[in-house]
Amino acid sequence: GQNIDQPTEMTATEGAIVQINCTYQTSGFNGLFWYQQHAGEAPTFLSYNVLDGLEEKGRFSSFLSRSKGYSYLLLKELQMKDSASYLCAVPREDSSYKLIFGSGTRLLVRP
Amino acid sequence: SAVISQKPSRDICQRGTSLTIQCQVDSQVTMMFWYRQQPGQSLTLIATANQGSEATYESGFVIDKFPISRPNLTFSTLTVSNMSPEDSSIYLCSVLAGVRDTQYFGPGTRLTVL
Repeated sequence: GQNIDQPTEMTATEGAIVQINCTYQTSGFNGLFWYQQHAGEAPTFLSYNVLDGLEEKGRFSSFLSRSKGYSYLLLKELQMKDSASYLCAVPREDSSYKLIFGSGTRLLVRP
Repeated sequence: SAVISQKPSRDICQRGTSLTIQCQVDSQVTMMFWYRQQPGQSLTLIATANQGSEATYESGFVIDKFPISRPNLTFSTLTVSNMSPEDSSIYLCSVLAGVRDTQYFGPGTRLTVL
């Protein structure tokens, strides 16, 4: 079957760098998504990785290693507004249009 | 991307009643989905809303409890029927859009059942 693991909570300091890890098990791979979700709001799309390596987008970068079933989201120059849940998701094996979401990592940024 | 709106944004309902949630997209999309997010949990797919045919439900979700309509390529409704407190949740619609078939989410409907 398919499975996604993420840490439940992380705490970091404003201005610092934080890395949020995601490991997944899936027999077929069709990319990996990261979403940000502020409390009480809908998830918003952050990044999509389908090839190995690091993709940078401003303060946020996402890394993928398909051989290790591993991804991380790197947040630089943390701001208070980055306090949110970060969800890792992969397409389902039976339907690539449907996503399986991890339980999410709740990030708290402290002053 | 796509701009998605949902109505209502929140509601408080009595046990045994039903609530219909609307989802409107600013462009025609092929795939629309309905998710549930219970407090402190991640997202669970309820069903795929199919235009012109019955919705496709995921394991654990049935049409009698969550009837879905999809009259055209920009609009869908989800009804939560015969509600119980266990149905208290955020209900989100999403669509596939963009070159990478990324899922974009509506703002959600926060439902509380008393």
